[in-house]
Amino acid sequence: AQKVTQAQTEISVVEKEDVTLDCVYETRDTTYYLFWYKQPPSGELVFLIRRNSFDEQNEISGRYSWNFQKSTSSFNFTITASQVVDSAVYFCALSEFSGGYNKLIFGAGTRLAVHP
Amino acid sequence: DAGVIQSPRHEVTEMGQEVTLRCKPISGHNSLFWYRQTMMRGLELLIYFNNNVPIDDSGMPEDRFSAKMPNASFSTLKIQPSEPRDSAVYFCASSGEMGGGSSGANVLTFGAGSRLTVL
Repeated sequence: AQKVTQAQTEISVVEKEDVTLDCVYETRDTTYYLFWYKQPPSGELVFLIRRNSFDEQNEISGRYSWNFQKSTSSFNFTITASQVVDSAVYFCALSEFSGGYNKLIFGAGTRLAVHP
Repeated sequence: DAGVIQSPRHEVTEMGQEVTLRCKPISGHNSLFWYRQTMMRGLELLIYFNNNVPIDDSGMPEDRFSAKMPNASFSTLKIQPSEPRDSAVYFCASSGEMGGGSSGANVLTFGAGSRLTVL
């Protein structure tokens, strides 16, 4: 069965520190997609990135970067020079192809607290 | 675009009462998902629809839960009768088709959620 593991339940850092959120997944699909979503204290879920299994290039977007390694089934997320506004719960998700359709399976989330 | 609209944002009810949560997906999106978020179980997929048809309801916890999508712009999640353990945040999300069909992986756009408290 598909599975997403975010082993870090909570991370606390001081502003300007770099922080990496880990995500490990399990799937038997040869084609799959991975996602990161952010849930700030206001509660909504905000899409950050989608990556397909054929594209192992790392991606950078401002202070955010993602490291996809198929060999270790990991899709880690790094925030450089963290800011207080980065405080949120971050979810990694795997797209599962089931019954002819895709659905997202979420990890348990990592709560990031960035302190001034 | 107003995004995915959910109502009510907060609901407090007593055990045994019927609860109806509502969702308006993004216009043009043809897939709709209902998720439940709790501290204990995280984000769980309850049911999803494609072109208004329920595709997978295996996540619906019990017969007390039902969901409908009578048209492309409206869906409801009903709990009858409600129980304290149903207290959670219920999210609706919608997505559009990618790559001409189910081979893609759609980006889900989530609503703000409906926080349900059953006393």
